[in-house]
Amino acid sequence: NAGVMQNPRHLVRRRGQEARLRCSPMKGHSHVYWYRQLPEEGLKFMVYLQKENIIDESGMPKERFSAEFPKEGPSILRIQQVVRGDSAAYFCASSPRPPGSALNTEAFFGQGTRLTVV
Amino acid sequence: AQSVTQPDIHITVSEGASLELRCNYSYGATPYLFWYVQSPGQGLQLLLKYFSGDTLVQGIKGFEAEFKRSQSSFNLRKPSVHWSDAAEYFCAVAHKGGGKLIFGQGTELSVKP
Repeated sequence: NAGVMQNPRHLVRRRGQEARLRCSPMKGHSHVYWYRQLPEEGLKFMVYLQKENIIDESGMPKERFSAEFPKEGPSILRIQQVVRGDSAAYFCASSPRPPGSALNTEAFFGQGTRLTVV
Repeated sequence: AQSVTQPDIHITVSEGASLELRCNYSYGATPYLFWYVQSPGQGLQLLLKYFSGDTLVQGIKGFEAEFKRSQSSFNLRKPSVHWSDAAEYFCAVAHKGGGKLIFGQGTELSVKP
């Protein structure tokens, strides 16, 4: 059973371009979470999705950022018109149920995508 | 609002010495608590978790943590540190039923030979 797969591992974009980050959850996991880690900081929650639904997007910037988790295929975090401040590591996590909703439910993290905006 | 505080940004210990990393949380109910470790350039690996029951929980790699409700703490301990333990450690609390994790700022651990 492969872990959470994120690609690409590293992504370089020029200011104004679009960045698309992909996350394939673990097999059997229908809950996906995106987190952003700015340099020298902890992880900040961005968005929580289930298949075809956004459950909680309270951590998403209001503009330029969007996320989806279609019925088929990976979850996508999309950043339009990137700026230097978007440079960060973006982590995806998945779980079979929401962490905390039941005993022994935990989120498994991918290796992350490191976005650099030049 | 829920929050997690890790008071120590950076800690250095000698190999073989004991370790304690501090974590304090603010949460209105019984929290679900986690410790993760992140090696440079890598993702997060779960060390241990607390949901209920015994307040002393054992994790992987010889780590343990103790939940103290009266102090709102969930400190991570290891009796004897190995050089391979050098990494960043994150404490997190789960929003019960809500899915997202609230992370602390992290503690970077360095190990002296």
